[in-house]
Amino acid sequence: QVQLQESGPGLVKPSETLSLTCTVSGASISSDYWSWIRQPPGKGLEWIGYIHYTGSTSYNPSLKSRVAMSVDTSKNQFSLNLNSVTVADTAVYYCAKGRSSPNSWGRGTLVTVSS
Amino acid sequence: DVVMTQSPLSLPVTLGQPASISCKSSQSLVHRDGYTYLNWFQQRPGQSPRRLIYEVSRRDSGVPDRFSGSGSGTDFTLKISRVEAEDVGLYYCMQGTHWPPLTFGQGTRLEIK
Repeated sequence: QVQLQESGPGLVKPSETLSLTCTVSGASISSDYWSWIRQPPGKGLEWIGYIHYTGSTSYNPSLKSRVAMSVDTSKNQFSLNLNSVTVADTAVYYCAKGRSSPNSWGRGTLVTVSS
Repeated sequence: DVVMTQSPLSLPVTLGQPASISCKSSQSLVHRDGYTYLNWFQQRPGQSPRRLIYEVSRRDSGVPDRFSGSGSGTDFTLKISRVEAEDVGLYYCMQGTHWPPLTFGQGTRLEIK
């Protein structure tokens, strides 16, 4: 059974960079596409983007200028960097397996943007 | 961007009664490969989303058969034949046909009357 676990700082200052890592167990990261999705408190889901183990990516145009994703096949991990954050980036961030139809999700990690 | 519109946004249901959620897309979700990438997710309180249905009507492993998905083109429906207490939560449709970006509906909150 595939398991995903997000990790990273829970508090980021405005204008700084949010950095999260997703560790995958039970599946090889070389087997699929891997996505990041976020959910502001009390709100709906927003797709951030996905990455393939080859490094191919696709990002939400609304975030594209600030987002970068990477993959580390040796550690079976993939990562998200979101720069120049504001309070509007406060959300639970989920990593998930799959592209058009993410079928396994991590438990999510709350990232708060505050000074 | 493809806009996904769900209705109702709030759905009070009596235990044992059926429930239905509509999801309409702003353009057809039929992909050039012939598949329709319309998914349904359930998010129980305090939990991460869980995929219930993919490709309109394919139920994920472990999902009770009281959940069913139907529809085509731009109109889709998630039905629960008999609501149980564990079904309380938020339900989201999501399209995976036209990207970027992949887009979600606003969510429908199912509660027990």
